[in-house]
Amino acid sequence: DIQMTQSPSTLSASVGDRVTITCRASQSISSWLAWYQQKPGKSPKLLIYKASTLQSGVPSRFSGSGSGTEFTLTISSLQPDDFATYYCQQYSSSWGFGQGTKVEIK
Amino acid sequence: QVQLQESGPGLVKPSETLSLICTVSGGSINYYYWSWIRQPPGKGLEWIGYIYYSGGTNYNASLKSRVTISVDTSKNQISLELTSMTAADTAVYYCTRHPYGSGSDHWGQGTLVTVSS
Repeated sequence: DIQMTQSPSTLSASVGDRVTITCRASQSISSWLAWYQQKPGKSPKLLIYKASTLQSGVPSRFSGSGSGTEFTLTISSLQPDDFATYYCQQYSSSWGFGQGTKVEIK
Repeated sequence: QVQLQESGPGLVKPSETLSLICTVSGGSINYYYWSWIRQPPGKGLEWIGYIYYSGGTNYNASLKSRVTISVDTSKNQISLELTSMTAADTAVYYCTRHPYGSGSDHWGQGTLVTVSS
């Protein structure tokens, strides 16, 4: 099975900061990677798919990049609504998630 | 507007079988993957498995011996069965729609299943 490793596990940041979250796959997944945002008590929300395609309705401050085994999610200017937990998911082979990155207020 | 709604028992006894149904409204089941994902309290997301509308399935290797996912296109429903439940299976269970090549773009609200005697 393909293992997904996210870093960091927790990230402390301020409004306006540029934030980057990394996701590494244990083997190549081409660009079959999605990013989700989850707030407490809510279902996850799709932000990015195919590594870099922004889901409709998602603010342009979110962007994704990478291919193969290394991927990043970047928030260009952190907004109050962005404090949440973020997950990567590979859907190349027998899908799986990273362990999550909690973005908290510094 | 596509909506997904999970339904089933909130409490299951150890060793019993969990049966959940996901009802899709506002859209067709056809031409999509449908997955089940769970989240233990306070923990991360775990993919359980998916089914394509035509019936092809793929399951998490760690759960494969206990999981069955099926689809009823006439009722617009996807079902999950998980046998031999233990406390480790206590989680919120989500149903999702996953277009080919995309991520899961629609999620149900989730249903909490607790395993306890």
